[in-house]
Amino acid sequence: EVQLVESGGGLVQPGRSLRLSCAASGFTFDDYAMHWVRQAPGKGLEWVSGISWNSGVKAYVDSVKGRFTISRDNAKKSLYLQMNSLRAEDTAFYYCVKDGYCTSPSCYRQLDYWGQGTLVTVSS
Amino acid sequence: QSALTQPASVSGSPGQSITISCTGTSSDIGGYNFVSWYQQHPGKAPQLMIYDVSNRPSGVSNRFSGSKSGNTASLTISGLQAEDEADYYCSSYTSSSPLFGGGTKLTVL
Repeated sequence: EVQLVESGGGLVQPGRSLRLSCAASGFTFDDYAMHWVRQAPGKGLEWVSGISWNSGVKAYVDSVKGRFTISRDNAKKSLYLQMNSLRAEDTAFYYCVKDGYCTSPSCYRQLDYWGQGTLVTVSS
Repeated sequence: QSALTQPASVSGSPGQSITISCTGTSSDIGGYNFVSWYQQHPGKAPQLMIYDVSNRPSGVSNRFSGSKSGNTASLTISGLQAEDEADYYCSSYTSSSPLFGGGTKLTVL
């Protein structure tokens, strides 16, 4: 059974940093690209970032470029999102998501397994 | 890039069919056959329902179907059931970053 378990969310002040983690199990982790998708409370989904199977390709939505860094450790079957210079508009549930087909985020077709999400609240 | 355009809400009675539209541009929906649809119940994570415009993952009911014409994709749910009441999101590949629609709330009357 595929499982994705996020951790690291919480309340943080504007301008500070937070690191999200995602522990994966139930599939061959290094066969697939991985993504972070966020959802502000009561709002829609927004793709945030994706990383290729070997970390060679990383992609970001424009609003987080230069502030967020995605990474993965295939030996630990883990995905990470380092979030710096956080803003109020970054407040959201952050989902760790498995790509259903592609090895790179430059190919995007389906997101087949989602974690339960971790809430990041940016507020003073 | 702007989000894909979906109606805010649709409704239908049990047993009926409904269709949710998702409108984009030639740079996303119209340019590629990589449209996917996700169902999200309140407080739950999204679930993949359709990929590559019209393909269903294993385990998804055949009451769900997808199609595309030009810059607009559609999700049709036939034989509506109470459990189908949820939010539905479309998504598309683009050459820059993936896009989602704003979401459609389906109410089963």
